[in-house]
Amino acid sequence: GQNIDQPTEMTATEGAIVQINCTYQTSGFNGLFWYQQHAGEAPTFLSYNVLDGLEEKGRFSSFLSRSKGYSYLLLKELQMKDSASYLCAVRSILTGGGNKLTFGTGTQLKVEL
Amino acid sequence: AAGVIQSPRHLIKEKRETATLKCYPIPRHDTVYWYQQGPGQDPQFLISFYEKMQSDKGSIPDRFSAQQFSDYHSELNMSSLELGDSALYFCASSLGTRRNEAFFGQGTRLTVV
Repeated sequence: GQNIDQPTEMTATEGAIVQINCTYQTSGFNGLFWYQQHAGEAPTFLSYNVLDGLEEKGRFSSFLSRSKGYSYLLLKELQMKDSASYLCAVRSILTGGGNKLTFGTGTQLKVEL
Repeated sequence: AAGVIQSPRHLIKEKRETATLKCYPIPRHDTVYWYQQGPGQDPQFLISFYEKMQSDKGSIPDRFSAQQFSDYHSELNMSSLELGDSALYFCASSLGTRRNEAFFGQGTRLTVV
């Protein structure tokens, strides 16, 4: 099975930097995704890691360590609109073909003035 | 660019009724996922299809069934609806095992009264 853990809630100040951690246990690992989701809306893709290291994309960066089963999403220069739920999702290969995409519980980020 | 299309966007049904949700994946995507998301919860995986065959099954009740058709669109059939089935139902599509992320549709909000 798969086990994905994230903090439930985080609060940060506008203009600051925040790091959201995700730990996972899975077999057939084939990538880790970070999604942003505002209430009542569909998750939107932020970043993807399949190899160890840091992927940077504007104000968002994501890091992966496969040996540790660990990833983080780094958000810089926080804006009020960044207040949302951030979902860590692990993709794993299925033996019968195709992939399984499993989401963590999500981290509700609140950005304050 | 074409996105994942879900219909209907909103659906209200009475207990014990039947509902059918439809998902049209991005053209050439071969994998479809269905998720159920209750208020304040993370997306719960229901079922997925790869190349029109069921590839994985999650926490999908026996009252639900799904299939993927020859044109790759998918339908989630829900029978004997219960109040607890009220949720957002998301469909996502991706291109097999490649690095492309899973793209989500806007979801269908099902309310059972």
